[in-house]
Amino acid sequence: DGGITQSPKYLFRKEGQNVTLSCEQNLNHDAMYWYRQDPGQGLRLIYYSQIVNDFQKGDIAEGYSVSREKKESFPLTVTSAQKNPTAFYLCASSEGRNEKLFFGSGTQLSVL
Amino acid sequence: AQSVAQPEDQVNVAEGNPLTVKCTYSVSGNPYLFWYVQYPNRGLQFLLKYITGDNLVKGSYGFEAEFNKSQTSFHLKKPSALVSDSALYFCAVRDRTGANNLFFGTGTRLTVIP
Repeated sequence: DGGITQSPKYLFRKEGQNVTLSCEQNLNHDAMYWYRQDPGQGLRLIYYSQIVNDFQKGDIAEGYSVSREKKESFPLTVTSAQKNPTAFYLCASSEGRNEKLFFGSGTQLSVL
Repeated sequence: AQSVAQPEDQVNVAEGNPLTVKCTYSVSGNPYLFWYVQYPNRGLQFLLKYITGDNLVKGSYGFEAEFNKSQTSFHLKKPSALVSDSALYFCAVRDRTGANNLFFGTGTRLTVIP
């Protein structure tokens, strides 16, 4: 089955700790995205990547980092600099900039 | 600056009745418009999009949306609601410049009452 796989489904972070959320796609899409979803705020773009070895900051990139070493993988690291990391994180991919997004099932990150 | 407004946090409709979920947008020039649906603890699923052409767009699961340029609206509609349509619906917009960001509304929770 083609699709996007996010792991883990649930993740807990201790204060001062960096954590990494995994996102893998087998759709052969060039573009990949990370969104953060908070209740009542819709989705906000953290980072996006249009092609391997290139990525751009979205609206709320502070406290996050990404890499795009392979076409199929776009991991997101939530660093200790992100003071309010509790949220539902969604990874997505698309064939092109104006094509529909395919979303993973999300990772719920909570702070211990 | 781009923005999307979904004025209703919650919409309730009886099963079998028509449903409308409202969306208005603000963007420079002509927009690309999308509707997505989210079921509990899941990612979003694409329903439909407007790029150009016919103002009435048909999508998945019997949903449709009408692009109204003068009112800057893109309301989602369905002639007959099903209980299984109960979910969170997001409208999104992107302008036609080089900017990549897809701006999402805050979502409307649709509840279809049996």
